[in-house]
Amino acid sequence: DAMVIQNPRYQVTQFGKPVTLSCSQTLNHNVMYWYQQKSSQAPKLLFHYYDKDFNNEADTPDNFQSRRPNTSFCFLDIRSPGLGDAAMYLCATSKEQGGTYEQYFGPGTRLTVT
Amino acid sequence: KQEVTQIPAALSVPEGENLVLNCSFTDSAIYNLQWFRQDPGKGLTSLLLIQSSQREQTSGRLNASLDKSSGRSTLYIAASQPGDSATYLCAGAGNTPLVFGKGTRLSVIA
Repeated sequence: DAMVIQNPRYQVTQFGKPVTLSCSQTLNHNVMYWYQQKSSQAPKLLFHYYDKDFNNEADTPDNFQSRRPNTSFCFLDIRSPGLGDAAMYLCATSKEQGGTYEQYFGPGTRLTVT
Repeated sequence: KQEVTQIPAALSVPEGENLVLNCSFTDSAIYNLQWFRQDPGKGLTSLLLIQSSQREQTSGRLNASLDKSSGRSTLYIAASQPGDSATYLCAGAGNTPLVFGKGTRLSVIA
């Protein structure tokens, strides 16, 4: 089945130690997104790629970066995680069809910062 | 800037009851509205997508409506079951990617 895959599902890192979360997709969608979701809050968009074009949300901290080496893969790098970065990180994909972008989400990576 | 509000924040109903979840948005120039389900500690599962030219979409026991002029969408769940217990989120897409509401946490009691 075509799907969005996130690895790892659970990640524990130390304060200030760089961490990378990965997302892959078999849907061949041209748009990929990274969201941060904290407990009982709405998912917050960090950035997205439209093909190779990177779009950063204005309030995304510089501590967060992303790479998309090809259509299928996208990475979220947190350079120096703080305690406030502990959250669920969600990857999503979409493909434009007639001006509509239906989004498909992966299972998420739960990040814990100790 | 699009803002999405969901009311109520939490809802508890007995099994078998029909229920309505509400979603309101501030910018009527949306391209589509999408309803999701999220189980605790999991990702989001897409339930229904309503394009701006449509008024409603149906899937099984679920029916979602969209009224752009009033800035509202509703998700109707018929004959609720304990397995429907989850958080339901709506999200609108316009010139910018999806903007989410905080969700309604639904509990269906057997």
